Amino acid sequence: EAQVTQNPRYLITVTGKKLTVTCSQNMNHEYMSWYRQDPGLGLRQIYYSMNVEVTDKGDVPEGYKVSRKEKRNFPLILESPSPNQTSLYFCASRPPGPLALVQFFGPGTRLTVL
Amino acid sequence: QKEVEQNSGPLSVPEGAIASLNCTYSDRGSQSFFWYRQYSGKSPELIMFIYSNGDKEDGRFTAQLNKASQYVSLLIRDSQPSDSATYLCAVVRSGGGADGLTFGKGTHLIIQP
Repeated sequence: EAQVTQNPRYLITVTGKKLTVTCSQNMNHEYMSWYRQDPGLGLRQIYYSMNVEVTDKGDVPEGYKVSRKEKRNFPLILESPSPNQTSLYFCASRPPGPLALVQFFGPGTRLTVL
Repeated sequence: QKEVEQNSGPLSVPEGAIASLNCTYSDRGSQSFFWYRQYSGKSPELIMFIYSNGDKEDGRFTAQLNKASQYVSLLIRDSQPSDSATYLCAVVRSGGGADGLTFGKGTHLIIQP
């Protein structure tokens, strides 16, 4: 089944404890991205990647890191999480070609930072 | 700041009626527009996309685009309780760059049985 997967789905952690949220897609998509979604603020892009070893900042990159060493994986790293990073996070990927602008979203990771 | 505006709602519509969701955007150069549906706590799923002025129909859904007035709308005919969700409008920003998808904050739709 073609899909985007994220792990973990739920995470409660404490301020300053480094964490990684994994994202993987099995559709051979070159483009992947990370969003966070907060009440009243909607979906905001954190980082995106056009291909392996190519990443760039989105609208709200502060406090986050990403890497793209393989086409299928795009982990989101929080080196020192803070309570304002409590949010619902979505990974997404896009196919090439005519549907290149259509985002396919993963199931989401609900993160709570205490 | 290029923006996408939606009425947050909730928009309450009786079952079987037509639900009309609206979205306005500020970037006059935008060319591509998307509607996503999102159930509470779930990920957004694509309903429709539209690139050209006019109407595009897919089953019970119709997307309407008016670039001169900078709005895009989604009509849902014969509304069902399962249509109750938040609907996100997304617009591709103009001006180049590798990415450029801006989401509205969504309209919460409630279909009353």
